[in-house]
Amino acid sequence: DTAVSQTPKYLVTQMGNDKSIKCEQNLGHDTMYWYKQDSKKFLKIMFSYNNKELIINETVPNRFSPKSPDKAHLNLHINSLELGDSAVYFCASSQDSYYQPQHFGDGTRLSIL
Amino acid sequence: DQQVKQNSPSLSVQEGRISILNCDYTNSMFDYFLWYKKYPAEGPTFLISISSIKDKNEDGRFTVFLNKSAKHLSLHIVPSQPGDSAVYFCAASTGNQFYFGTGTSLTVIP
Repeated sequence: DTAVSQTPKYLVTQMGNDKSIKCEQNLGHDTMYWYKQDSKKFLKIMFSYNNKELIINETVPNRFSPKSPDKAHLNLHINSLELGDSAVYFCASSQDSYYQPQHFGDGTRLSIL
Repeated sequence: DQQVKQNSPSLSVQEGRISILNCDYTNSMFDYFLWYKKYPAEGPTFLISISSIKDKNEDGRFTVFLNKSAKHLSLHIVPSQPGDSAVYFCAASTGNQFYFGTGTSLTVIP
């Protein structure tokens, strides 16, 4: 049973397109996250939701919009994709939002042509 | 501005010996520290954590040491096994905000 699953695993698309990445966790956790790992392997938080409410919104372009329909799902929609968006995007969850280790999905590798 | 740094991109160790992975941080407000292990094409997996009120935490073969005055933490793996070969990330937190290092690739040679 996969604890945190994200789809798709690979996403290759053209510059200017709009795409979505889906994430689901079956751990019963209250908090979910999106991270971006760039080419330098730097893993940086983008967003955090606790019980469907946005609690962390780092300096991320408005083209990135997270959506949490329920506490088990956190999707990431990206508009007008740019070359610099190429990265691996990881979804994660934790029991709550403070002092808890995170459980990560296997990542979505986004490549912009 | 990288607040958590892992200055050794790679480390090779013989099977059975000790592996020591290091991590430095700059923000004295960090009070919760974690280590994650990552295999290729998988997400990071939580390994061990330590809060700032402790200076050592052990879990089986894994021990994390925290030196608050030096703003330094380390992960010791004893004895190292070939299955430990992976990328290890340290992370530091003020509670709900987590900052990760860039990882150290550990290779355990049989």
